[in-house]
Amino acid sequence: DGGITQSPKYLFRKEGQNVTLSCEQNLNHDAMYWYRQDPGQGLRLIYYSQIVNDFQKGDIAEGYSVSREKKESFPLTVTSAQKNPTAFYLCASSMAVNTGELFFGEGSRLTVL
Amino acid sequence: DQQVKQNSPSLSVQEGRISILNCDYTNSMFDYFLWYKKYPAEGPTFLISISSIKDKNEDGRFTVFLNKSAKHLSLHIVPSQPGDSAVYFCAAMGNAGNMLTFGGGTRLMVKP
Repeated sequence: DGGITQSPKYLFRKEGQNVTLSCEQNLNHDAMYWYRQDPGQGLRLIYYSQIVNDFQKGDIAEGYSVSREKKESFPLTVTSAQKNPTAFYLCASSMAVNTGELFFGEGSRLTVL
Repeated sequence: DQQVKQNSPSLSVQEGRISILNCDYTNSMFDYFLWYKKYPAEGPTFLISISSIKDKNEDGRFTVFLNKSAKHLSLHIVPSQPGDSAVYFCAAMGNAGNMLTFGGGTRLMVKP
């Protein structure tokens, strides 16, 4: 089945630790995205990538880093510089940037203890 | 500054009745609008969209209305079913180079 797989689904981290969230897609989509969802707030864009080896900052990129070495994979690292990392993280993909319809993974919930 | 706003955080409707979810936007460059549905602990799924050249788009029980002059769109669900209970996000996009901008979501509860 085609889709987007995020792992882990739940993750706990101590303050000061970096953590990497995985996102893999087999939809053959060029564009991939990372969003963050906080209670009562909409989805806020962290980073996006239009093509392999290219990525751009979104609205809230500070404290995060990404890589796009393969078309299928777009991992997100939440660094210790992120002041409030506890949130629900969503990865998405689309055929191309600005095609509108995004396909989302099931999300990863990160809790900082 | 929120460019896409869903002013009702929650809505409760009886099964079989109409659900109306509202969304307002401020950016006049937005020309394509989407609704996503999200169940707890899952990613959002695309529901329906509308281009600014239209004022209505219908897909089964779901209809989206767009009022460009008021910068307002709404999602109508008729008849509402308990399985429609979820959080609904409105999203908008505009010229090339703009990403989707999401509203804060409205939690719909359909009571049997």
